[in-house]
Amino acid sequence: GGIITQTPKFLIGQEGQKLTLKCQQNFNHDTMYWYRQDSGKGLRLIYYSITENDLQKGDLSEGYDASREKKSSFSLTVTSAQKNEMAVFLCASSIRTGYTEVFFGKGTRLTVV
Amino acid sequence: QQQVRQSPQSLTVWEGETAILNCSYEDSTFDYFPWYWQFPRESPALLIAIRPVSNKKEDGRFTIFFNKREKKLSLHITDSQPGDSATYFCAAISGSWQLIFGSGTQLTVMP
Repeated sequence: GGIITQTPKFLIGQEGQKLTLKCQQNFNHDTMYWYRQDSGKGLRLIYYSITENDLQKGDLSEGYDASREKKSSFSLTVTSAQKNEMAVFLCASSIRTGYTEVFFGKGTRLTVV
Repeated sequence: QQQVRQSPQSLTVWEGETAILNCSYEDSTFDYFPWYWQFPRESPALLIAIRPVSNKKEDGRFTIFFNKREKKLSLHITDSQPGDSATYFCAAISGSWQLIFGSGTQLTVMP
């Protein structure tokens, strides 16, 4: 088995601040994802990376940057936090793209004051 | 735009009843449909999945029925148990390998 570790678990930021969320996986998976989960809106894809050195935009990429530093790590940057923003950011990974199970981390809960 | 739609938004059934959760999609190139479930304060986890080569996939009390012509699928949970209470997400893989989720159905099973 493996684990996906997201840091920090809770993040409080100020309006306009640049914030970085980190994710590490020890599955040795090729593909990694960042999703945003708002209450009642399901999971929306922000960025994904099919393999090391690859970066693909999801439907919600505006306002975010991502970086796949190495195979095991994938970070997400909120370029300018929006006031009263509250969401959970979920990192996930899969052995490859396609018809495979995606495993999720426990999330980073963001609050912007 | 919402490429994967789910209904109802919430559903309550009694223990022992069959719960039916619906999902529809627009893109005919979608060719893999996993269902994930999420318990309160937990992360989503894979429950069951189907590819369009089949119109039915069964795993214990959980069955997916798939209608390719109508671009619809449904998840049937027979003999529902209180421990099945969770939010269920229908998802689909796009041609660009994006895993796209619906907005979820919150299921409550009353004892």
